Amino acid sequence: NAGVTQTPKFQVLKTGQSMTLQCAQDMNHNSMYWYRQDPGMGLRLIYYSASEGTTDKGEVPNGYNVSRLNKREFSLRLESAAPSQTSVYFCASSEIMQRNYGYTFGSGTRLTVV
Amino acid sequence: DAKTTQPPSMDCAEGRAANLPCNHSTISGNEYVYWYRQIHSQGPQYIIHGLKNNETNEMASLIITEDRKSSTLILPHATLRDTAVYYCIASNTGNQFYFGTGTSLTVIP
Repeated sequence: NAGVTQTPKFQVLKTGQSMTLQCAQDMNHNSMYWYRQDPGMGLRLIYYSASEGTTDKGEVPNGYNVSRLNKREFSLRLESAAPSQTSVYFCASSEIMQRNYGYTFGSGTRLTVV
Repeated sequence: DAKTTQPPSMDCAEGRAANLPCNHSTISGNEYVYWYRQIHSQGPQYIIHGLKNNETNEMASLIITEDRKSSTLILPHATLRDTAVYYCIASNTGNQFYFGTGTSLTVIP
């Protein structure tokens, strides 16, 4: 049982390049999330998907797009990367219908934009 | 979601109980209190959550005051592996969690 898998683990981009961060969960969770974490700061919600087929903006959505490809997969796309998007990106999933409302997080993608 | 306030840092001696406070004075009646921790650069890990009653699991205990305006996470016998940033979150949706900067707990040998 892998939980939440994120790829890649590390990435360096040049300003203006595009890329997609991949996230997959094998727990049959309905809800999935993308967060970013900058040095010395807490996590900030970028986008979330409460269920398959739906996506909504979080706290800091500008510069990002998401796709809920199916129940398992939720991708985050940077169309034109900027140095301000240098951060650690975490994907998470949850099943709010369960008594345990806990999120399961992936191990993160460390992105540097130069 | 109600705003939560936590001290930025705390120390605890190894083997002693670590008591991490959280203030959520504007919490509404249907908002749960959740606790997560983040060890070094790993993804955050769920610890425990509660609504009104005190809760205990294999990781920790959660004590919520009767007026629900504050809570305390208790790690009964802290170990060096409990050194982490601990986040307290109040939410009524179970999703869209907003993490603050949390409390950085250092367990001292």
